[in-house]
Amino acid sequence: AQSVTQLGSHVSVSEGALVLLRCNYSSSVPPYLFWYVQYPNQGLQLLLKYTSAATLVKGINGFEAEFKKSETSFHLTKPSAHMSDAAEYFCAVIESSNTGKLIFGQGTTLQVKP
Amino acid sequence: EAQVTQNPRYLITVTGKKLTVTCSQNMNHEYMSWYRQDPGLGLRQIYYSMNVEVTDKGDVPEGYKVSRKEKRNFPLILESPSPNQTSLYFCASSLSLWQVHTGELFFGEGSRLTVL
Repeated sequence: AQSVTQLGSHVSVSEGALVLLRCNYSSSVPPYLFWYVQYPNQGLQLLLKYTSAATLVKGINGFEAEFKKSETSFHLTKPSAHMSDAAEYFCAVIESSNTGKLIFGQGTTLQVKP
Repeated sequence: EAQVTQNPRYLITVTGKKLTVTCSQNMNHEYMSWYRQDPGLGLRQIYYSMNVEVTDKGDVPEGYKVSRKEKRNFPLILESPSPNQTSLYFCASSLSLWQVHTGELFFGEGSRLTVL
């Protein structure tokens, strides 16, 4: 069965610093991987997705992620953090092609300090 | 505006008092799903529906029911709520199962439920 592990439940960076949120997955088949962002009191919004095309995926708001099969990782990065990036971030993988079920990681709360 | 609407957004209730969380989408989506979000656990799927009258269990269906009598609505029913169902609930929809794979899954804003 697929699973997702996000390393670090809380990450704090200074404004302008590099953002790195870690995600490792396990999957017996080529995975469909996603990063979602959740702002306070809002639903989840898709940041970016990996669907077996390019291994470096660019998303919204300057975020990108690199799929590394050898490391089973899909880490999320942004070169320069902005205050508005403060939110909770979830990595997810499609568990089954028949159900559409997403398996989510535990979530990482990003704090951006001025 | 295309959206997934959940009601109520916030609810405090007591053990055993039946409640329904409604979910409605205006995008003519076939696929709908319910998730619950708990600290440290991420989101876990409760139920999903491929289309009208077609529903199936997710990972944590115990204590919940759903129905899909019409395409736009997918209510979540707690027949006898218990404190362990205190959680943040999200409804999500997609045009079809394939669109879920391409990331086109639209989430509602969530319903925070507290069961005392």
